[in-house]
Amino acid sequence: DQQVKQNSPSLSVQEGRISILNCDYTNSMFDYFLWYKKYPAEGPTFLISISSIKDKNEDGRFTVFLNKSAKHLSLHIVPSQPGDSAVYFCAASGSNYQLIWGAGTKLIIKP
Amino acid sequence: DTGVSQNPRHKITKRGQNVTFRCDPISEHNRLYWYRQTLGQGPEFLTYFQNEAQLEKSRLLSDRFSAERPKGSFSTLEIQRTEQGDSAMYLCASSPQGQVREGYTFGSGTRLTVV
Repeated sequence: DQQVKQNSPSLSVQEGRISILNCDYTNSMFDYFLWYKKYPAEGPTFLISISSIKDKNEDGRFTVFLNKSAKHLSLHIVPSQPGDSAVYFCAASGSNYQLIWGAGTKLIIKP
Repeated sequence: DTGVSQNPRHKITKRGQNVTFRCDPISEHNRLYWYRQTLGQGPEFLTYFQNEAQLEKSRLLSDRFSAERPKGSFSTLEIQRTEQGDSAMYLCASSPQGQVREGYTFGSGTRLTVV
């Protein structure tokens, strides 16, 4: 039973345009959501997070939106840059220390 | 501090052999986590330590797996009698206590191939 789902295995976006990565979850007990970025041969790197009491968090070019009623969150990257090409993971946390991860979306930024 | 360090980066072993991986966390982080990642999947939780105490183990961690964190510093993950299904990337992460919102800091992982 996948509690965190990223239904798009890959996404291709033109440089300078907006990249939107989506994530759905099933467990209403999750209260913290995080996005990680992963380059090949490296571990995941924390990007941005959002608490369930908020619906938006912004950090530079990155914005995460949370829709609790739909159990959906999305990561927006504007404008997209070539260095953004990576695999993006959505993760969720409940009252404990564990992170439950999605399968990832490979973002490709085309020049 | 250079972050979370994992050794070796790659390990190829024959089925049935034992392997051991090491993780050196960020020195001021008292929590240490092991995750496993297979191709096309996100990381899956294996176990975590708070200081030297192993506080939780996933059901994914069969009795062939053992993890230790002596003295609350570095940690080792041992797999005995390796099987081909153990082939994966083993990721270690650390964090200060309770700070999920800042995310964990991951190492680059150890890629295990069992042939």
